[in-house]
Amino acid sequence: DAKTTQPTSMDCAEGRAANLPCNHSTISGNEYVYWYRQIHSQGPQYIIHGLKNNETNEMASLIITEDRKSSTLILPHATLRDTAVYYCIVRVIGSSNTGKLIFGQGTTLQVKP
Amino acid sequence: EAGVAQSPRYKIIEKRQSVAFWCNPISGHATLYWYQQILGQGPKLLIQFQNNGVVDDSQLPKDRFSAERLKGVDSTLKIQPAKLEDSAVYLCASSLGLPIGETQYFGPGTRLLVL
Repeated sequence: DAKTTQPTSMDCAEGRAANLPCNHSTISGNEYVYWYRQIHSQGPQYIIHGLKNNETNEMASLIITEDRKSSTLILPHATLRDTAVYYCIVRVIGSSNTGKLIFGQGTTLQVKP
Repeated sequence: EAGVAQSPRYKIIEKRQSVAFWCNPISGHATLYWYQQILGQGPKLLIQFQNNGVVDDSQLPKDRFSAERLKGVDSTLKIQPAKLEDSAVYLCASSLGLPIGETQYFGPGTRLLVL
């Protein structure tokens, strides 16, 4: 089972910031938070990941709370092409320590004109 | 840099037939994954390879599914015989294989419909 909880769906106005929350209250100290998104009929696309500190790249920012029990993915200026299912994943360590991804249901983000 | 390649993109077969999917990972990526994504759900890991060895196949229905990665590069996933519930998108992903903080990159998937 996925170790994260996300809202099922969210709407965002085009040009505004999209803030997608994720709860991972049982996260372990050595587990990373990963975000992927999946646009319709495509494979999942990596967005960003982090351990403790906030992270930013060309796509998004990741804000992780100090206790690491929740995080927020921020798309600073959402466009229609950001409409997708967004997955928040806590990376578990597999039997050989290479780490599989366990996907939940994700949040369907609808960006509206 | 070329991404993960998969073929075919679409496949329609009848139940009890066999089908095979092919994946070519990103060059230099040691770890390769096959996921199954049923409509409306998130992807579920079927099998994970490190080079040409199996790391995790705990979720692979071994009575009908098989996968190989003979030379540590390309991989094939086979279903024999197919059932109606195998209708899904089969996604291949690859990563460098570093133990910490590795990122998986996904291909476009093969959409399978079993009639």
